Amino acid sequence: EAGVTQSPTHLIKTRGQQVTLRCSPISGHTSVYWYQQALGLGLQFLLWYDEGEERNRGNFPPRFSGRQFPNYSSELNVNALELEDSALYLCASRPGRVRETQYFGPGTRLLVL
Amino acid sequence: DQQVKQNSPSLSVQEGRISILNCDYTNSMFDYFLWYKKYPAEGPTFLISISSIKDKNEDGRFTVFLNKSAKHLSLHIVPSQPGDSAVYFCAARNTGTASKLTFGTGTRLQVTL
Repeated sequence: EAGVTQSPTHLIKTRGQQVTLRCSPISGHTSVYWYQQALGLGLQFLLWYDEGEERNRGNFPPRFSGRQFPNYSSELNVNALELEDSALYLCASRPGRVRETQYFGPGTRLLVL
Repeated sequence: DQQVKQNSPSLSVQEGRISILNCDYTNSMFDYFLWYKKYPAEGPTFLISISSIKDKNEDGRFTVFLNKSAKHLSLHIVPSQPGDSAVYFCAARNTGTASKLTFGTGTRLQVTL
């Protein structure tokens, strides 16, 4: 069974640009989570999508947004990039039942210059 | 406000000995706890979890202990192996608030020969 996949693996952008990161969950998983891991920090919760809707978001500005498609894949969009957005962005998925464990993809490493 | 804390950024243990990784939390609403292992350039891998109604869960070489009164959990790895060298993240969840995970900052475990 394929795991969570993310693309691209690495990305370099400049301040003010926009970026789109993509995530495909494990087959059968309907919930997708996005996390940010900045250098030296733990994983910070960004967004949660379930059944195509945004269910919860973390303490991030509105320029962080996303969506979930009918096939449960997801995109994370970051507008007006700032230097501190440089981080590893991780996507996780889980089946529909709330108590199931989240399974992570390999992440997208974003560098903002 | 760091609700999940891993106060030891690093730990070095000899192969064959016990590794003990600690985690403290402040939110008494957390009812499910997980440990993830992360290698460089990879996403976190789920290791083991424990519900707040239990005080111990064991899976092979890995055992997680939960002390609710102290708001403390620990991961024991016995015996430690060189392949266990990674960053270990403690995570907690309040099922009542949309199942997002709150992570600690991680402990880097180095298992030496």
